[in-house]
Amino acid sequence: GEDVEQSLFLSVREGDSSVINCTYTDSSSTYLYWYKQEPGAGLQLLTYIFSNMDMKQDQRLTVLLNKKDKHLSLRIADTQTGDSAIYFCAFSDQTGANNLFFGTGTRLTVIP
Amino acid sequence: DSGVTQTPKHLITATGQRVTLRCSPRSGDLSVYWYQQSLDQGLQFLIQYYNGEERAKGNILERFSAQQFPDLHSELNLSSLELGDSALYFCASSPTGTGERVALHFGNGTRLTVT
Repeated sequence: GEDVEQSLFLSVREGDSSVINCTYTDSSSTYLYWYKQEPGAGLQLLTYIFSNMDMKQDQRLTVLLNKKDKHLSLRIADTQTGDSAIYFCAFSDQTGANNLFFGTGTRLTVIP
Repeated sequence: DSGVTQTPKHLITATGQRVTLRCSPRSGDLSVYWYQQSLDQGLQFLIQYYNGEERAKGNILERFSAQQFPDLHSELNLSSLELGDSALYFCASSPTGTGERVALHFGNGTRLTVT
């Protein structure tokens, strides 16, 4: 199975950029995902990247994929207090089923 | 609102008891997934159903079982509960059971506390 690691905590000042990192062991996932979990809520799909891409930009979000180093990152530009949440990277199961394997999650705290 | 409904929101029970968690998927979604989120284990995939049939199994204990009914709602049964079963249990749904791009929609979870 997939072994996925993330830093547990990240604090940034409002208006700065946030970079959340994720390293993984199994590189066979076709899509790689970022999910956001706000307090008291379920996980919400933020964005995803196809495995043959290096970068994907979606408004304030930029996803970078380095397949050689097995490293995925999520950059949030102009971070706002509403971005405070736990961010999970996720990879699809390679057995053919649709379930996802999630990283440990990074708790982002935005300081006003 | 993801469209996935989980009940109850909170559940407090004693060790040794049995509970049932319920999930209604998004309208039109055929696949249901159960995940357990705890502080020490993170988010763990338990089991997936597609159109009433078990599709994939993850780290689900033998004391736990699930099913998906003809109306596509799903139930997760947890029995002989232990303190370590205290966690947030999430249900997610997706349109299909297989495919390249997985779009899971999560409910808000059921928080289970075993005392």
